[in-house]
Amino acid sequence: DSGVTQTPKHLITATGQRVTLRCSPRSGDLSVYWYQQSLDQGLQFLIHYYNGEERAKGNILERFSAQQFPDLHSELNLSSLELGDSALYFCASSARASDGAFFGQGTRLTVV
Amino acid sequence: GESVGLHLPTLSVQEGDNSIINCAYSNSASDYFIWYKQESGKGPQFIIDIRSNMDKRQGQRVTVLLNKTVKHLSLQIAATQPGDSAVYFCAERGKTSYDKVIFGPGTSLSVIP
Repeated sequence: DSGVTQTPKHLITATGQRVTLRCSPRSGDLSVYWYQQSLDQGLQFLIHYYNGEERAKGNILERFSAQQFPDLHSELNLSSLELGDSALYFCASSARASDGAFFGQGTRLTVV
Repeated sequence: GESVGLHLPTLSVQEGDNSIINCAYSNSASDYFIWYKQESGKGPQFIIDIRSNMDKRQGQRVTVLLNKTVKHLSLQIAATQPGDSAVYFCAERGKTSYDKVIFGPGTSLSVIP
């Protein structure tokens, strides 16, 4: 167990809908990262937050947004969902902004 | 587009042998490199990292080698065990935490008992 908690574990929703994925980092970790993993794209970095502030942005669509709250948990919001958004979404956390991260178990999103 | 590594290769090794997993990275400005292990149905697990001011770093049964001249990274696993069977990813990042992280496509390691 990495100590990173993601909810929900599974999510099935229809195209056009909006969902929110939640991540609780390891205790004391200030950095939260979000990744998308699909069969054809591999692991894609989406966004990195450090202590509430956006630190780096990767291949994150405009339909997607994230934030990190004062208690350091983070949410990834996915809107206007398309079939191609079906994937595993991972959250990871680390103590500092420069460390390798510890991953959660992921949220499997299926868009139908 | 940006990429680290090759198309997903598969490596099969005999239990007890040493494994070497390779990764080519494309950005010569990358400064920080990480190896992750992902078992089926689980999230990636941090194995070991290395910064560009080093060319070798050792952990428990694992060694990472960095060759900046040819932009190559390798992960060596000593005395490979069945529990080492997984997909291994290398990842790179620039000098600061403001840089994005780029993952390679992964290598599937299969250990033959």
